[in-house]
Amino acid sequence: EAQVTQNPRYLITVTGKKLTVTCSQNMNHEYMSWYRQDPGLGLRQIYYSMNVEVTDKGDVPEGYKVSRKEKRNFPLILESPSPNQTSLYFCASALAGPSSYNEQFFGPGTRLTVL
Amino acid sequence: DQQVKQNSPSLSVQEGRISILNCDYTNSMFDYFLWYKKYPAEGPTFLISISSIKDKNEDGRFTVFLNKSAKHLSLHIVPSQPGDSAVYFCAATSSGGNQFYFGTGTSLTVIP
Repeated sequence: EAQVTQNPRYLITVTGKKLTVTCSQNMNHEYMSWYRQDPGLGLRQIYYSMNVEVTDKGDVPEGYKVSRKEKRNFPLILESPSPNQTSLYFCASALAGPSSYNEQFFGPGTRLTVL
Repeated sequence: DQQVKQNSPSLSVQEGRISILNCDYTNSMFDYFLWYKKYPAEGPTFLISISSIKDKNEDGRFTVFLNKSAKHLSLHIVPSQPGDSAVYFCAATSSGGNQFYFGTGTSLTVIP
């Protein structure tokens, strides 16, 4: 089954404790992206990757890191989480970048709480 | 700075009637627009899209209209069904860009 998977689905952590949210897709997609969803703010793009080893900042990259060492995986790293990073996070992938007019496929989301 | 705006946070419609969800954008470079539907505890799923060379795209009960001069698009659902109750996000991108920009979402409730 074609899908985007994220782990964990739920995470409660404390300020400053490094964490990684994994994202994997099995569709051989080139484009991958991370979003956060907050009430009243919709979905905001954190980072995106056009292909392996090619990553770039989205609109809200502060406090996050990503890597794209393999085509299928795009982990989101919070080196020192803070309470303002409490949010619902979505990973997404697309066959190619936005200029190819492809839709994105989203993972099920990761609910992160930073105390 | 929100480049894609959905000014109605919520909308309630009777089953069988038409649902109209609206979206405005500010960036005149946007030339491809998408609608996603999101159920609770799930990720958004793609619903329908439209490119700027068209002013209408239809897929079953769903139709998206694009008014480029007004920088406005709308999603029509006819007839509305209870299973359509979800949050709907509008998104936009440009042929020269690498990002998708999303609106804040509209929560649709279809009343049986």
